[in-house]
Amino acid sequence: DADVTQTPRNRITKTGKRIMLECSQTKGHDRMYWYRQDPGLGLRLIYYSFDVKDINKGEISDGYSVSRQAQAKFSLSLESAIPNQTALYFCATSQQRGDQDTQYFGPGTRLTVL
Amino acid sequence: GEDVEQSLFLSVREGDSSVINCTYTDSSSTYLYWYKQEPGAGLQLLTYIFSNMDMKQDQRLTVLLNKKDKHLSLRIADTQTGDSAIYFCAERGGGSYIPTFGRGTSLIVHP
Repeated sequence: DADVTQTPRNRITKTGKRIMLECSQTKGHDRMYWYRQDPGLGLRLIYYSFDVKDINKGEISDGYSVSRQAQAKFSLSLESAIPNQTALYFCATSQQRGDQDTQYFGPGTRLTVL
Repeated sequence: GEDVEQSLFLSVREGDSSVINCTYTDSSSTYLYWYKQEPGAGLQLLTYIFSNMDMKQDQRLTVLLNKKDKHLSLRIADTQTGDSAIYFCAERGGGSYIPTFGRGTSLIVHP
């Protein structure tokens, strides 16, 4: 979905390096999420934010941190990358409307940690 | 925690119907979703169904929900090679705005 963009799309880095993945959205959604995808494991939630002042840990937040710089921007940092953080990372957004709250995903960032 | 289960692979012949199945454990699920992920791309919402519905049809896609058995299925009629992708089932309970995703089913369509 072009309304949710992620940069970079691909990144190769070395163990111990600090990495930042960025997500921007033009959908005007309040809620933003970071997931990682590993083959056979599906999507696992890392962090999520329901508005600019709200940050919440997901099921696998260890080794990651996030920053919600604005409504439209949500970045994910790996302070000291390790090889088992090699994965496909997705940003998603959503907006609560009544009881409905559907997520829309970015194209993903493929991260390789050597 | 709550769980969503899908088989990992499904292989069908072009022109046949595909049925992708999903089971979930959260009895309070209110919305159930199907997403499609094509190679090198993010997840694209295909369709969703509210828990008070049994069926939803959208062109070649039919979603069936058996709430008693906590079973959701996605049927793709006249499957084409362009339907080859990973299909994710997801559910969201009434008390949470965070969906739980299955591991995804890789649909392989061969001539």
